[in-house]
Amino acid sequence: AQTVTQSQPEMSVQEAETVTLSCTYDTSESDYYLFWYKQPPSRQMILVIRQEAYKQQNATENRFSVNFQKAAKSFSLKISDSQLGDAAMYFCASRGGGSNYKLTFGKGTLLTVNP
Amino acid sequence: SAVISQKPSRDICQRGTSLTIQCQVDSQVTMMFWYRQQPGQSLTLIATANQGSEATYESGFVIDKFPISRPNLTFSTLTVSNMSPEDSSIYLCSAARWAPQETQYFGPGTRLLVL
Repeated sequence: AQTVTQSQPEMSVQEAETVTLSCTYDTSESDYYLFWYKQPPSRQMILVIRQEAYKQQNATENRFSVNFQKAAKSFSLKISDSQLGDAAMYFCASRGGGSNYKLTFGKGTLLTVNP
Repeated sequence: SAVISQKPSRDICQRGTSLTIQCQVDSQVTMMFWYRQQPGQSLTLIATANQGSEATYESGFVIDKFPISRPNLTFSTLTVSNMSPEDSSIYLCSAARWAPQETQYFGPGTRLLVL
């Protein structure tokens, strides 16, 4: 079984600044995957970034990067140069390896970007 | 990327009735899933929609309440049966593709209100 915990229900950031969203997880599997999804007010979930647990290098996608601390089971998302369009609910999610493709989501962090 | 559409986008229903939600993906995907997102909450997996066979349900969800069909690789339906106000939620369809890398895409969701 997998569990995902997001301890920050809400966060805010000034436009152009950097913000970090926290996520911790627990899993008994040695092979797993971690994701950050964004859900804007329009409701369409969008994949922001993914990390394979076997990779030591932190994933990056343009202004989005992760800090993956495997021993600590921590998977935080850093958003650099925040933009107004980054305002959304952010969900951390995990899935096990192999054929177990279902995602387990955290409760989400609502990010507000202030102009 | 895969484009996923859902119909209806929203509905208001009377208790005791049933609603069928349709999910259409614009290209072939390996797996399709149905999630529920209750107001202000995270996403919970209802079931995996299997092509040509019975869906695989998660704990707490049963086929009699949430019958699912997937007649081909790009289409699935979820029926919410004998609805009660507790079924008021957003229902999201998800589709997974493994190439070039694993990605799960989400539909825009169906917002259901049961009176």
